[in-house]
Amino acid sequence: GQNIDQPTEMTATEGAIVQINCTYQTSGFNGLFWYQQHAGEAPTFLSYNVLDGLEEKGRFSSFLSRSKGYSYLLLKELQMKDSASYLCAVMDSNYQLIWGAGTKLIIKP
Amino acid sequence: GAVVSQHPSWVICKSGTSVKIECRSLDFQATTMFWYRQFPKQSLMLMATSNEGSKATYEQGVEKDKFLINHASLTLSTLTVTSAHPEDSSFYICSARAVAGGDTGELFFGEGSRLTVL
Repeated sequence: GQNIDQPTEMTATEGAIVQINCTYQTSGFNGLFWYQQHAGEAPTFLSYNVLDGLEEKGRFSSFLSRSKGYSYLLLKELQMKDSASYLCAVMDSNYQLIWGAGTKLIIKP
Repeated sequence: GAVVSQHPSWVICKSGTSVKIECRSLDFQATTMFWYRQFPKQSLMLMATSNEGSKATYEQGVEKDKFLINHASLTLSTLTVTSAHPEDSSFYICSARAVAGGDTGELFFGEGSRLTVL
C-alpha cells in the first residue's frame, strides 16, 4: 500500500530551528509537497521537491532524497505564528496526492 | 482517521461537455468543504469554500457559473465543470472539515480528480 509517515506532534522554542521529517512509500513519484495549515484554515503551499537536494525559501527549506523515500522541512528562526500543522504530500505515478496525517508544531516562548 | 473519498479519480472529456466530481466524507459529517485546483508542479489553489445548505464562496478569479458547487448534505459536495475546455484540464482536490462540537479545525483531503479536456 501507499503511505506517508510524519510525526504527530513536535514542540520547539521561539527562535530555534526545527526539522519535520516525512518518509513515504508510494506507487511512483511525481513530486513531494509541504503545506502549512493553521487550525480551521485551508492549507497553504510551502514547497515542492521533485529532484534530490535542498530547496531553500527564506526561513523554510525542504530536502528530498528519492532513493530513501525521505524528505524533511526545516524551519529556522521560529516564530509563534509558525505554530500550525505541516502536511507532507506525495504525488504518485497516477498523479494522485497521497497525504500524510500532518505534524502539529507547537512553538513555545 | 477520517476519510474523504473523491470520485472519479480520472476523467477525460470532450471540449464543451460538463463534468461532475463528487467529494464525500465517509465517516464524519463535514460542515465545510473546500475545492482546490492544482496545475502541474504548482501549489494547490483554493477555488471555493462550500458550507452545507448555503451557496459556495468563490475565490477571486474563479468563475461561479463555470464551476458549480453544490453541498446538499453534510457528507457530499459536488463540483461541476460546465462547458469544459482544454484550459480547464487540471487536478481538482477537495477537503472536508468536521462539524463543530468535535471540530478541531483539521481538514481531511480527498485523493484528487484529474480532469483532461480534449
